[in-house]
Amino acid sequence: AQTVTQSQPEMSVQEAETVTLSCTYDTSESDYYLFWYKQPPSRQMILVIRQEAYKQQNATENRFSVNFQKAAKSFSLKISDSQLGDAAMYFCAYRRKTSGSRLTFGEGTQLTVNP
Amino acid sequence: KAGVTQTPRYLIKTRGQQVTLSCSPISGHRSVSWYQQTPGQGLQFLFEYFSETQRNKGNFPGRFSGRQFSNSRSEMNVSTLELGDSALYLCASSLATGTPEDSPLHFGNGTRLTVT
Repeated sequence: AQTVTQSQPEMSVQEAETVTLSCTYDTSESDYYLFWYKQPPSRQMILVIRQEAYKQQNATENRFSVNFQKAAKSFSLKISDSQLGDAAMYFCAYRRKTSGSRLTFGEGTQLTVNP
Repeated sequence: KAGVTQTPRYLIKTRGQQVTLSCSPISGHRSVSWYQQTPGQGLQFLFEYFSETQRNKGNFPGRFSGRQFSNSRSEMNVSTLELGDSALYLCASSLATGTPEDSPLHFGNGTRLTVT
């Protein structure tokens, strides 16, 4: 079974600074997808960034980028120029290529942004 | 375009009762999936429906069931409620074609169920 682990229950960052959230996963599959989702107090899960396992290039979305290390099964999220609106719970998630909409989530990291 | 709509937003039920939660996907989306979120177990996949057929199921007891209608709206039912069923239930919809780039999951705001 696939597992996703986020070892940092809480992180904090100063506004305008950079923070990195960690995620490791375990799978025997070679082709899969990885995601970072954000869940603010409104409870809605919002997709931040996604990565395909067979793409070596790390995904980037504006201030958000990932460091994908396939051999190490590591998938960290870097948030640059942190903003107050980035404060939320962040979830790392895994999806097998053939599993439809079935995501396996990590435990989450609560990010606080200090002004 | 309207997002994923879940009703009701909050629900309080008593042990032993049953409950039905509703999810209206984004127009044109044919896949609806359900997740349970609790502080202890985190986010867990319940099931996925596509074109009125269940095509994926998580590890939940048979008390948890769902269905999808021809207009892609979905309902989730929990019978004989237990205290441990208290959770945030999230619904997500997608086009369900091609790769995740073509069909990312769009989540609703969830239904907060409290069982007393």
